[in-house]
Amino acid sequence: QSVLTQPPSVSAAPGQTVTIPCSGSRSNIGSNYISWYQQLPGTAPKLLIYEDHRRPSGIPDRFSGSKSGTSATLGITGLQTGDEADYYCGTWDSTLSAVWVFGGGTKLTVL
Amino acid sequence: VQLVESGGGVVQPGGSLRLSCAASGFTFSNFGMHWVRQAPGRGLEWVAFIRRDGSNKYYADSVKGRFTISRDNSKNTVSLQMSTLRADDTAVYYCAKSTMTSSGLDYWGQGTLVTVSS
Repeated sequence: QSVLTQPPSVSAAPGQTVTIPCSGSRSNIGSNYISWYQQLPGTAPKLLIYEDHRRPSGIPDRFSGSKSGTSATLGITGLQTGDEADYYCGTWDSTLSAVWVFGGGTKLTVL
Repeated sequence: VQLVESGGGVVQPGGSLRLSCAASGFTFSNFGMHWVRQAPGRGLEWVAFIRRDGSNKYYADSVKGRFTISRDNSKNTVSLQMSTLRADDTAVYYCAKSTMTSSGLDYWGQGTLVTVSS
Protein backbone atom coordinates (compact mmCIF):
# COMPACT_ATOMS: atom_id res chain seq x y z
CA GLN A 1 0.00 0.00 0.00
CA SER A 2 1.73 3.17 -1.22
CA VAL A 3 1.57 6.42 0.75
CA LEU A 4 0.84 8.20 -2.54
CA THR A 5 -2.22 6.95 -4.41
CA GLN A 6 -2.31 6.66 -8.19
CA PRO A 7 -4.80 4.85 -10.41
CA PRO A 8 -3.34 1.55 -11.68
CA SER A 9 -4.07 2.41 -15.28
CA VAL A 10 -5.32 5.08 -17.65
CA SER A 11 -5.84 5.01 -21.39
CA ALA A 12 -6.50 7.41 -24.22
CA ALA A 13 -6.20 7.60 -27.97
CA PRO A 14 -3.29 9.13 -29.86
CA GLY A 15 -3.52 12.90 -29.98
CA GLN A 16 -5.74 13.04 -26.93
CA THR A 17 -4.96 14.48 -23.51
CA VAL A 18 -4.66 12.41 -20.35
CA THR A 19 -4.21 13.32 -16.70
CA ILE A 20 -2.72 11.12 -14.00
CA PRO A 21 -3.59 12.05 -10.40
CA CYS A 22 -1.46 11.47 -7.34
CA SER A 23 -3.10 11.82 -3.94
CA GLY A 24 -1.26 12.16 -0.67
CA SER A 25 -1.41 13.98 2.63
CA ARG A 26 -0.12 17.03 4.46
CA SER A 27 3.07 15.24 5.45
CA ASN A 28 4.11 14.55 1.88
CA ILE A 29 2.52 16.34 -1.08
CA GLY A 30 1.06 18.99 1.20
CA SER A 31 4.47 20.12 2.43
CA ASN A 32 7.03 19.03 -0.16
CA TYR A 33 7.67 19.32 -3.89
CA ILE A 34 6.27 16.55 -6.08
CA SER A 35 8.13 15.00 -8.99
CA TRP A 36 7.03 12.67 -11.79
CA TYR A 37 8.85 9.83 -13.54
CA GLN A 38 8.31 7.94 -16.77
CA GLN A 39 9.46 4.35 -17.06
CA LEU A 40 9.37 2.87 -20.53
CA PRO A 41 9.31 -0.94 -20.68
CA GLY A 42 12.65 -2.46 -19.74
CA THR A 43 14.35 0.85 -18.98
CA ALA A 44 15.29 2.94 -15.96
CA PRO A 45 12.92 5.67 -14.83
CA LYS A 46 13.33 9.17 -16.23
CA LEU A 47 12.51 12.45 -14.50
CA LEU A 48 9.67 14.27 -16.24
CA ILE A 49 8.64 16.94 -13.74
CA TYR A 50 10.28 18.30 -10.58
CA GLU A 51 9.37 20.99 -8.06
CA ASP A 52 5.69 20.39 -8.86
CA HIS A 53 5.72 21.81 -12.38
CA ARG A 54 9.24 22.29 -13.71
CA ARG A 55 10.48 20.30 -16.70
CA PRO A 56 14.10 19.21 -17.03
CA SER A 57 15.89 20.16 -20.19
CA GLY A 58 14.77 17.97 -23.07
CA ILE A 59 11.31 17.14 -21.73
CA PRO A 60 8.70 18.40 -24.19
CA ASP A 61 6.04 20.84 -23.05
CA ARG A 62 3.41 18.19 -23.78
CA PHE A 63 4.16 17.10 -20.23
CA SER A 64 2.97 19.32 -17.39
CA GLY A 65 2.62 19.13 -13.65
CA SER A 66 0.35 20.84 -11.16
CA LYS A 67 -0.39 20.60 -7.46
CA SER A 68 -3.19 21.68 -5.20
CA GLY A 69 -3.18 20.96 -1.50
CA THR A 70 -2.42 17.29 -1.00
CA SER A 71 -2.94 16.22 -4.61
CA ALA A 72 -0.89 16.54 -7.76
CA THR A 73 -1.56 15.87 -11.42
CA LEU A 74 0.58 14.95 -14.40
CA GLY A 75 -0.87 16.05 -17.73
CA ILE A 76 0.14 14.76 -21.13
CA THR A 77 -1.21 16.38 -24.28
CA GLY A 78 -0.95 15.21 -27.87
CA LEU A 79 -0.52 11.58 -26.82
CA GLN A 80 1.89 9.49 -28.85
CA THR A 81 2.33 5.75 -28.92
CA GLY A 82 5.81 6.31 -27.50
CA ASP A 83 4.23 7.73 -24.34
CA GLU A 84 2.99 4.27 -23.40
CA ALA A 85 4.79 3.65 -20.13
CA ASP A 86 4.48 3.50 -16.35
CA TYR A 87 4.30 6.85 -14.57
CA TYR A 88 5.20 7.43 -10.93
CA CYS A 89 4.85 10.39 -8.61
CA GLY A 90 7.32 10.87 -5.77
CA THR A 91 8.09 13.19 -2.90
CA TRP A 92 9.48 13.39 0.61
CA ASP A 93 7.32 12.33 3.53
CA SER A 94 8.11 13.78 6.91
CA THR A 95 5.64 11.91 9.16
CA LEU A 96 8.22 10.58 11.60
CA SER A 97 11.57 10.70 9.91
CA ALA A 98 12.25 11.86 6.38
CA VAL A 99 11.61 9.18 3.81
CA TRP A 100 11.09 9.43 0.08
CA VAL A 101 7.88 7.86 -1.19
CA PHE A 102 6.67 6.85 -4.63
CA GLY A 103 3.14 6.32 -5.80
CA GLY A 104 2.17 2.83 -6.88
CA GLY A 105 2.51 3.78 -10.53
CA THR A 106 0.05 4.25 -13.38
CA LYS A 107 0.23 2.27 -16.60
CA LEU A 108 -0.63 4.52 -19.54
CA THR A 109 -2.00 2.76 -22.58
CA VAL A 110 -2.23 4.71 -25.81
CA LEU A 111 -5.01 2.98 -27.70
CA VAL B 1 25.93 12.49 -16.24
CA GLN B 2 26.53 8.79 -15.95
CA LEU B 3 25.70 6.41 -13.12
CA VAL B 4 26.89 2.82 -13.33
CA GLU B 5 25.82 0.27 -10.74
CA SER B 6 27.68 -2.93 -10.03
CA GLY B 7 27.76 -5.73 -7.49
CA GLY B 8 24.44 -7.43 -8.12
CA GLY B 9 24.09 -11.17 -8.25
CA VAL B 10 22.55 -14.20 -6.59
CA VAL B 11 22.82 -14.52 -2.81
CA GLN B 12 21.30 -16.92 -0.32
CA PRO B 13 18.74 -15.77 2.24
CA GLY B 14 20.52 -14.32 5.25
CA GLY B 15 23.53 -13.40 3.16
CA SER B 16 25.17 -10.08 2.37
CA LEU B 17 25.96 -8.11 -0.75
CA ARG B 18 27.53 -4.75 -1.48
CA LEU B 19 26.35 -2.63 -4.39
CA SER B 20 28.38 0.23 -5.81
CA CYS B 21 27.50 3.11 -8.09
CA ALA B 22 30.20 4.98 -10.01
CA ALA B 23 29.24 8.54 -10.88
CA SER B 24 30.68 10.81 -13.54
CA GLY B 25 29.79 13.92 -15.48
CA PHE B 26 28.89 16.12 -12.52
CA THR B 27 30.40 17.42 -9.28
CA PHE B 28 29.52 14.40 -7.18
CA SER B 29 30.17 16.02 -3.79
CA ASN B 30 27.48 18.65 -4.46
CA PHE B 31 24.54 16.26 -4.67
CA GLY B 32 22.66 13.81 -2.51
CA MET B 33 22.28 10.28 -3.83
CA HIS B 34 19.47 7.73 -3.64
CA TRP B 35 19.07 3.99 -4.00
CA VAL B 36 15.73 2.82 -5.40
CA ARG B 37 14.66 -0.74 -6.12
CA GLN B 38 12.06 -2.45 -8.24
CA ALA B 39 10.95 -6.01 -7.63
CA PRO B 40 10.03 -8.02 -10.73
CA GLY B 41 6.73 -6.75 -12.13
CA ARG B 42 6.29 -4.27 -9.29
CA GLY B 43 6.54 -0.53 -8.80
CA LEU B 44 9.40 1.63 -7.61
CA GLU B 45 10.41 1.39 -3.95
CA TRP B 46 12.75 3.95 -2.43
CA VAL B 47 15.53 2.38 -0.35
CA ALA B 48 17.90 5.01 1.00
CA PHE B 49 19.29 8.53 0.61
CA ILE B 50 22.57 10.09 1.65
CA ARG B 51 23.27 13.79 1.79
CA ARG B 52 26.07 15.26 -0.30
CA ASP B 53 28.58 15.30 2.54
CA GLY B 54 27.41 12.00 4.02
CA SER B 55 26.27 13.75 7.20
CA ASN B 56 22.74 12.37 7.11
CA LYS B 57 21.34 9.10 5.88
CA TYR B 58 17.72 8.06 5.53
CA TYR B 59 16.27 4.60 5.05
CA ALA B 60 12.98 2.93 4.19
CA ASP B 61 11.51 1.03 7.10
CA SER B 62 11.78 -2.20 5.09
CA VAL B 63 15.59 -2.02 5.07
CA LYS B 64 16.41 -0.05 8.23
CA GLY B 65 18.95 -1.89 10.35
CA ARG B 66 19.90 -4.23 7.49
CA PHE B 67 21.15 -1.89 4.76
CA THR B 68 23.75 0.86 5.02
CA ILE B 69 24.30 3.62 2.47
CA SER B 70 27.69 5.30 2.23
CA ARG B 71 29.66 7.44 -0.17
CA ASP B 72 33.24 8.28 -1.03
CA ASN B 73 33.42 11.75 -2.52
CA SER B 74 37.10 11.26 -3.38
CA LYS B 75 36.16 8.32 -5.63
CA ASN B 76 32.74 9.56 -6.81
CA THR B 77 31.02 6.45 -5.59
CA VAL B 78 27.98 5.63 -3.51
CA SER B 79 27.49 2.19 -2.03
CA LEU B 80 24.75 0.11 -0.48
CA GLN B 81 25.82 -2.58 1.96
CA MET B 82 23.01 -5.11 2.28
CA SER B 83 22.90 -7.75 4.99
CA THR B 84 20.41 -10.29 6.34
CA LEU B 85 18.96 -10.45 2.87
CA ARG B 86 15.48 -11.88 2.35
CA ALA B 87 13.63 -13.18 -0.66
CA ASP B 88 11.59 -9.98 -0.83
CA ASP B 89 14.79 -7.97 -1.33
CA THR B 90 14.99 -9.47 -4.82
CA ALA B 91 14.85 -6.54 -7.21
CA VAL B 92 16.68 -4.37 -9.69
CA TYR B 93 18.54 -1.76 -7.66
CA TYR B 94 19.03 1.69 -9.15
CA CYS B 95 21.22 4.49 -7.91
CA ALA B 96 19.91 7.94 -8.69
CA LYS B 97 21.22 11.46 -8.37
CA SER B 98 19.23 14.02 -6.42
CA THR B 99 18.40 17.42 -7.81
CA MET B 100 20.18 20.36 -6.21
CA THR B 101 17.16 21.13 -4.03
CA SER B 102 16.58 17.42 -3.26
CA SER B 103 13.18 17.78 -4.91
CA GLY B 104 13.58 14.89 -7.30
CA LEU B 105 15.80 12.20 -8.76
CA ASP B 106 17.12 13.58 -12.02
CA TYR B 107 19.50 10.92 -13.29
CA TRP B 108 19.30 7.16 -12.88
CA GLY B 109 21.68 4.31 -13.53
CA GLN B 110 20.73 1.28 -15.59
CA GLY B 111 20.24 -0.85 -12.48
CA THR B 112 21.77 -4.03 -11.12
CA LEU B 113 19.77 -7.17 -10.35
CA VAL B 114 19.91 -8.71 -6.89
CA THR B 115 18.35 -12.15 -6.51
CA VAL B 116 17.95 -13.64 -3.05
CA SER B 117 17.36 -17.35 -3.40
CA SER B 118 18.57 -20.64 -2.03
